[in-house]
Amino acid sequence: GEDVEQSLFLSVREGDSSVINCTYTDSSSTYLYWYKQEPGAGLQLLTYIFSNMDMKQDQRLTVLLNKKDKHLSLRIADTQTGDSAIYFCAESRLTGGGNKLTFGTGTQLKVEL
Amino acid sequence: DVKVTQSSRYLVKRTGEKVFLECVQDMDHENMFWYRQDPGLGLRLIYFSYDVKMKEKGDIPEGYSVSREKKERFSLILESASTNQTSMYLCANSRAGTPTDTQYFGPGTRLTVL
Repeated sequence: GEDVEQSLFLSVREGDSSVINCTYTDSSSTYLYWYKQEPGAGLQLLTYIFSNMDMKQDQRLTVLLNKKDKHLSLRIADTQTGDSAIYFCAESRLTGGGNKLTFGTGTQLKVEL
Repeated sequence: DVKVTQSSRYLVKRTGEKVFLECVQDMDHENMFWYRQDPGLGLRLIYFSYDVKMKEKGDIPEGYSVSREKKERFSLILESASTNQTSMYLCANSRAGTPTDTQYFGPGTRLTVL
């Protein structure tokens, strides 16, 4: 079965690091993604990691993947007020002619001054 | 600049009405998707299409149908709207083939069914 879970809310102070966690169940997932949704907007891809990698770093973003525990995390260093948004993790499977994503429930990140 | 447009940002309909939500992309992408987004449930896939005139059911297709007559346009149809279809509807598209091809999302349509 496919189930991707996240905690619903996270609150951090500006300048601190944020860590958003995600657990998934489909061990055949090839890629895992993090998307960001700002208020009133659609989703925007932040970063992705291939399932045979443990870590990926991209500027302030660090993605950690523990494939054994099916646990994915997104760390945002030096969190800014502009990082306030909903963050979705997603896992992918290739089916038919394309790439089907299963999204998590989303984590609302609130950055306080 | 890539563009995914949805016909309305906000829509209010009555129970039993037929509702059309339209999505248009200018990226010449093969794959198109319709999701609904509800608090605490994340995004759930309703239908997707890998090519013109092709459609496949997603995880929650009941009460919905779709139409893809042209590559750039993917329509979601609520044959007889019900209050439990009040939600945010998001359209997305991607190139065919590799998982690294991201899905591009439209801004969403917030549908309220009274």
